[in-house]
Amino acid sequence: KQEVTQIPAALSVPEGENLVLNCSFTDSAIYNLQWFRQDPGKGLTSLLLIQSSQREQTSGRLNASLDKSSGRSTLYIAASQPGDSATYLCAVRRDYGQNFVFGPGTRLSVLP
Amino acid sequence: GAGVSQSPRYKVAKRGQDVALRCDPISGHVSLFWYQQALGQGPEFLTYFQNEAQLDKSGLPSDRFFAERPEGSVSTLKIQRTQQEDSAVYLCASTQVGGPNTEAFFGQGTRLTVV
Repeated sequence: KQEVTQIPAALSVPEGENLVLNCSFTDSAIYNLQWFRQDPGKGLTSLLLIQSSQREQTSGRLNASLDKSSGRSTLYIAASQPGDSATYLCAVRRDYGQNFVFGPGTRLSVLP
Repeated sequence: GAGVSQSPRYKVAKRGQDVALRCDPISGHVSLFWYQQALGQGPEFLTYFQNEAQLDKSGLPSDRFFAERPEGSVSTLKIQRTQQEDSAVYLCASTQVGGPNTEAFFGQGTRLTVV
């Protein structure tokens, strides 16, 4: 059974810092991995999707990497801003037609 | 529609009451998922549809939970005889048919509070 963990559980940084969020999964046979952002009381917003054959994806100040063999993904946020404050969730999918398995999330606070 | 739409956004139910939660996926999206998210935790899988077929319901916590998608578009999650432990945010997601570059898009969720 796939299990996903995220470290740290919470993170507080001053504005402008670069930071890394970590996601680990136990079964390396994945189809893709998706990073989401969730603001309080809101749904999930997709940030980046990495296919199993890819090693990284970039969107603006965000960069996500994937190391399938070690069961890890990282989300790098450059030059953090107070508007980046949210919970960040990673989810892995075993195959098309299979559900997503989520980690518990990292709660990020960026202080002005 | 432009995104996944869920209704109602908030629902307060008395214990023992039946509730129905609705999900309108993105038009043309074949796959639809329901998730349950407890406070401070990641979403937990409930059930999955491909068109009108319910292919996986292994995450439904009890036989009080029932989901349907009769015409392969709108889906309803029904909870019978609600209990306090059913209080959570219920999220719906949809995806297109496609390969591993297929993103999942989530709705805003329905926050259910059982009192």
